[in-house]
Amino acid sequence: DIVMTQTPLSSLVTLGQPASISCRSSHSLVHSDGNTYLSWLQQRPGQPPRLLIYKISNRFSGVPDRFSGSGAGTDFTLKISRVEAEDVGVYYCTQATQFPHTFGQGTRLEIK
Amino acid sequence: EVQLVESGGGLVQPGGSLRLSCAASGFTLSNYEMNWVRQAPGKGLEWVSYISRSGSVIYYADSVKGRFTISRDNAKNSLNLQMNSLRAEDTAVYYCARRSDDNSRSVDAWGQGTMVTVSS
Repeated sequence: DIVMTQTPLSSLVTLGQPASISCRSSHSLVHSDGNTYLSWLQQRPGQPPRLLIYKISNRFSGVPDRFSGSGAGTDFTLKISRVEAEDVGVYYCTQATQFPHTFGQGTRLEIK
Repeated sequence: EVQLVESGGGLVQPGGSLRLSCAASGFTLSNYEMNWVRQAPGKGLEWVSYISRSGSVIYYADSVKGRFTISRDNAKNSLNLQMNSLRAEDTAVYYCARRSDDNSRSVDAWGQGTMVTVSS
């Protein structure tokens, strides 16, 4: 199974400041079809997860442009350019390159 | 509006069974691959099972293989998860989750979840 490791597990950020979350996979996420099926999810308190980014760097419909994704192979990053109050929650990276699909442990984002 | 509504959760004794359902609306279920994902209380997300559009391809997490069965009824726009031989570690919120149809393999829609508690 592909293990997804996120750092940090918790982040305390001042409003308006940037935030960054790293995700590392135990194996390359490049599929034989050439795509890298790495997504980022946001889970606000008491809510189901919500898709933010797919295939490393593509923002899902309705996601603010302060969210961006980057990376390749086994190392990926989610960045929030200027954190807003509504960004509080837990962020997960997830891979769908192979079964079983796996998730990172989650990174809790809080506001200072 | 795309909606996924899970039902069927509840309290069950260890060794018991439950059948979860997910009613899809706002889109045609037969056009989408589907997943079940669960989240134990206070924990992270765990993928449980996947089913292809026709139901011909199915995958399970090792933790549920042989005990859970995923199925779908496209005519009724419904996804199901039959859970047998339940264990305390199956206690979780179970989410029905739609895989995007754009070949991104992303999960672009989630239900609100249904809680399953396995306890004596």
